[in-house]
Amino acid sequence: DIQMTQSPSTLSASVGDRVTITCRASQSISSWLAWYRQKPGKAPKLLIYEASSLESGVPSRFSGSGSGTEFTLTITSLQPDDFATYYCQQYNSYSYTFGRGTKLEIK
Amino acid sequence: EVQLVQSGAEVKEPGESLKISCKASGYIFTTYWIAWVRQMPGKGLEWMGTIYPGDSDTRYSPSFQGQVTISADKSTSTAYLQWSSLEASDTALYYCARPQGSGSLVAPFDCWGQGTLVTVSS
Repeated sequence: DIQMTQSPSTLSASVGDRVTITCRASQSISSWLAWYRQKPGKAPKLLIYEASSLESGVPSRFSGSGSGTEFTLTITSLQPDDFATYYCQQYNSYSYTFGRGTKLEIK
Repeated sequence: EVQLVQSGAEVKEPGESLKISCKASGYIFTTYWIAWVRQMPGKGLEWMGTIYPGDSDTRYSPSFQGQVTISADKSTSTAYLQWSSLEASDTALYYCARPQGSGSLVAPFDCWGQGTLVTVSS
């Protein structure tokens, strides 16, 4: 199984800040990586797919980069709505795996 | 509008059976795979398995193979997740989700159900 290591597990920031979350795969997954945001009590929402493609309707302050084993999600100009938990997911094979999540908290 | 609407919360005792549902609308049910994802209390997301309603081809995570059964009913556009004998460790929130792209087994999940909370306690 492909393991996904996400860091940091918790991140404190303020409205307007720029933050970066990292995800590392245990083996190369090309660009088959997605990012999700999950608010408390809600289902995850797809933000980024294929490492850097923005899902329709997602604000442009979200961006993704990387390939192979190292990936990043960057959020510029944090909005109140962005304080949530973020997950990466590999879909290199149908045996999907998720990172353990990064909780983005208000500083 | 594409929607996945899941059945309501369940409270069960250990050893009982359970079948929860995920009703799809807004697209051709038989042409998209549907996945089930577990989220234990305060924890992350775990893929359990995926079914193609068109021919009932089903793939399971090794962690869940033999522990649950995934099925689909084309006549009602509904996918199911079932247990024959629940354990306390099955207490979790369960989501159904649809991978992007018609016919795509391996794709990110662009549509999610609202989740079904299953509580197993004596």
